[in-house]
Amino acid sequence: KQEVTQIPAALSVPEGENLVLNCSFTDSAIYNLQWFRQDPGKGLTSLLLIQSSQREQTSGRLNASLDKSSGRSTLYIAASQPGDSATYLCAVKAAGNKLTFGGGTRVLVKP
Amino acid sequence: EAQVTQNPRYLITVTGKKLTVTCSQNMNHEYMSWYRQDPGLGLRQIYYSMNVEVTDKGDVPEGYKVSRKEKRNFPLILESPSPNQTSLYFCASSPKPGGAYEQYFGPGTRLTVT
Repeated sequence: KQEVTQIPAALSVPEGENLVLNCSFTDSAIYNLQWFRQDPGKGLTSLLLIQSSQREQTSGRLNASLDKSSGRSTLYIAASQPGDSATYLCAVKAAGNKLTFGGGTRVLVKP
Repeated sequence: EAQVTQNPRYLITVTGKKLTVTCSQNMNHEYMSWYRQDPGLGLRQIYYSMNVEVTDKGDVPEGYKVSRKEKRNFPLILESPSPNQTSLYFCASSPKPGGAYEQYFGPGTRLTVT
C-alpha cells in the first residue's frame, strides 16, 4: 500500500528565505507526482506535476524534483513571500488512478 | 473558464437526512473522483469514476453512494448521514484515467452533520 509522508509538518521562515519542502513515498511504481497548495478552508490549487519519467519541473519561483528510485520529491520555493504562506500537499498517482496524499506541510512566511 | 464546481459549498444537516453534493466539470474529462479531508487523516478517496456508468470504491466508501449518468456530473450521495461524515469534501477530475494526467479539484464542500 502506497504511503506518502511530508516532513516537517510545519515550517516558519523569514521573508526572502528559500523554502525546501520534502515528500517521500514508499512505492516507486507511480505515474506522476503532483504538488498542491491549499489555503485555510479552501480548495487545492495544482502547482506542479512531474511525470514519472521526469527529474524536475519548474514554474516561476517553484521547482520540484523527483527521484523515483529513492521515493522522494522536493519542492523548492525561491525568495519566499508572505503570500506563500499556506499548506503544501504532495500526492502520487499510481495504478487504479488514485491519488495518495501526504499529510501536508504548513508554511508560514514571516514579513 | 475550465473548472470543477461543487454545490453546496457549506451544508449543516442532521443525522439521517439524505443529502446530495453535486459536482460538475466543463472540461469533458473522463475521470472523476471524490475525496474527504479530515484533520490528522489528510485527503482520502471515497469513490471514483473512469467514465460514464463506470464507478468504483476508493479507500473510504462506507456510507456514500455515487452515480455517473452524464460525463460532466458526479454527485455524491449520503443516504443516511452520520456525525462521522462531518468533513471537507472535494471533487476532482482528470482528462482520462491512468497515465500522467493532472487532477483538477473543486473548491470543496464543508459538511457538518449534527
